[in-house]
Amino acid sequence: GESVGLHLPTLSVQEGDNSIINCAYSNSASDYFIWYKQESGKGPQFIIDIRSNMDKRQGQRVTVLLNKTVKHLSLQIAATQPGDSAVYFCAESHEAGTALIFGKGTTLSVSS
Amino acid sequence: KAGVTQTPRYLIKTRGQQVTLSCSPISGHRSVSWYQQTPGQGLQFLFEYFSETQRNKGNFPGRFSGRQFSNSRSEMNVSTLELGDSALYLCASSGDSSPLNEKLFFGSGTQLSVL
Repeated sequence: GESVGLHLPTLSVQEGDNSIINCAYSNSASDYFIWYKQESGKGPQFIIDIRSNMDKRQGQRVTVLLNKTVKHLSLQIAATQPGDSAVYFCAESHEAGTALIFGKGTTLSVSS
Repeated sequence: KAGVTQTPRYLIKTRGQQVTLSCSPISGHRSVSWYQQTPGQGLQFLFEYFSETQRNKGNFPGRFSGRQFSNSRSEMNVSTLELGDSALYLCASSGDSSPLNEKLFFGSGTQLSVL
């Protein structure tokens, strides 16, 4: 069936390092991808999204890369800060109007 | 602009009871989606409403239901509660300027505990 998953459930980095969080998806028809950040006690917060007609998109300190050949999505966070500590989810949809399907999440821990 | 507001923030119920959760979307947003979040299953889609009509539905039993009002506020109801219904219930809204069901904006959720 369709699934969106992350390679690692946890990732620990030092403050100032660059972080890379990975996500694999199984549905080759997926055409929209999105990353969310969820802090403890809060709902998921939008970070960045990308459509399948793009390979890369940049935001403030974040970059999303999409490799459709291997069905892989990644989120890069530059100069990671303690405030970046959270659970990160990728999600995908394969048709406008269908629900977003979420991966299990990666917990990012940033130590100073 | 105020964000998505969910009430109550916490709920404790016992098995067999029913519960109603409320969600007020971002002003101007007509689409409201509900998700269940548990440590084991992650975020799972319940249903989505647009202009008072259920447009999408996930794979949950009929005990889970929802509705949307003319002001776009939404409620979800769970009847005959089971222990496994303990979860964080998240509501999200999206605006008409975005393609359907994309770029959801989430509330902080209602944490439901069933004893």
